[in-house]
Amino acid sequence: DAGITQSPRHKVTETGTPVTLRCHQTENHRYMYWYRQDPGHGLRLIHYSYGVKDTDKGEVSDGYSVSRSKTEDFLLTLESATSSQTSVYFCAIKVVAEGNEQFFGPGTRLTVL
Amino acid sequence: DAKTTQPTSMDCAEGRAANLPCNHSTISGNEYVYWYRQIHSQGPQYIIHGLKNNETNEMASLIITEDRKSSTLILPHATLRDTAVYYCIVRGINQGGKLIFGQGTELSVKP
Repeated sequence: DAGITQSPRHKVTETGTPVTLRCHQTENHRYMYWYRQDPGHGLRLIHYSYGVKDTDKGEVSDGYSVSRSKTEDFLLTLESATSSQTSVYFCAIKVVAEGNEQFFGPGTRLTVL
Repeated sequence: DAKTTQPTSMDCAEGRAANLPCNHSTISGNEYVYWYRQIHSQGPQYIIHGLKNNETNEMASLIITEDRKSSTLILPHATLRDTAVYYCIVRGINQGGKLIFGQGTELSVKP
């Protein structure tokens, strides 16, 4: 599992509330990613980070912000949650090697009522 | 990144080889072929990757055609635990190396 944990694993919240999801890694990888997965859409990239304080947008970044103040933690924030953000969220790290393969965390199931 | 085409679903008998095809006819010279799978409710799991040579590891084999326009993932002796959605992804080195997941192939291994 490449030492990746996500918290919380499940969360139910109400529309308009702020929500922060945490991804934690123990192996000092530089690259980290946040994806969401919805039926019929597969996995879609939200934001990614290529180092401390270095982040960039993915294909579905609207309504999300991220922060990376230290190597091991990558936070995803929904400033004001909406029902369309109900999804399963996966964090991933990239192993910088010949193949640059990515390894995923166990996921966070978020429900916005 | 190149687009991939995979069958929506496949069945395989337990103990038999599962051969999952992927078409990536627009692949460019510096793009790798990756395979991931996702077992229900879990995060995607890396399986194998290759550039142009065939590759084998403890999980699977990857056969890439000489023109690199298609590939096949082979699970040599499928088990019930191999039931999952299998994603073929082609990726170059750009935009932080993000993975673009398509719909994948839903493999059902049956006893």
